[in-house]
Amino acid sequence: EVVLTQSPGTLSLSPGARATLSCRASQILSSSELAWYQQKPGQAPRVLIYDASTRASGVPARFSGSGFGTDFSLTISRLEPEDFAVYYCQQYGALFTFGPGTKVEMK
Amino acid sequence: QVTLKESGPVLVKPTQTLTVTCTFSGFSLTRLGESVGWVRQPPGRAPEWLALIDGDDDRLYSESLRTRLTISKDTSRNQVVLAMTKMDPTDTGMYFCVRFHSGGYIVHWGQGTQVTVTA
Repeated sequence: EVVLTQSPGTLSLSPGARATLSCRASQILSSSELAWYQQKPGQAPRVLIYDASTRASGVPARFSGSGFGTDFSLTISRLEPEDFAVYYCQQYGALFTFGPGTKVEMK
Repeated sequence: QVTLKESGPVLVKPTQTLTVTCTFSGFSLTRLGESVGWVRQPPGRAPEWLALIDGDDDRLYSESLRTRLTISKDTSRNQVVLAMTKMDPTDTGMYFCVRFHSGGYIVHWGQGTQVTVTA
């Protein structure tokens, strides 16, 4: 099973700040089969990024994904109030697993 | 417009079998490349993928739960059913029906159905 590790567990930032979230896989994802999801309280997750760096339809340009192999990151260039949420990475290179999540909270 | 809606019992007793149904619209599960599955999320924790069924009727299961899971589909009714045996209080959580993109990531989520396992 591919295990995903996310860091940090919690990120305390102010609106307008830059957020960088990390996701590390226990095995190489040879075709960058990694997605990022945003989840707000009481809602289902929604996909932001797939194939490590492709923005999903309707996702603002301030969200970007990068990385390859085992190390991936999600960057939010300037935090908007609606961006404070929990973010999960998910791999789909070998079945499907999710990381434990990073909570982005308002400082 | 794609929609997925879960239905099933709110409360389940330990050792019982949970059966949850996903009724979907906006796509056909008879087409190649289409797949629907289930993801659960315990309170305050990360999502966990459980099972998937595709347009070819192929099935995939979580390795840790495969002995307890059965997924099936009824294409005439646009439904996917998940059965999970030997329910335990640790199985408490929100159960989501999801649609996968052919590439493997999840493009659509249902609203989820809350399942609590308690005696």
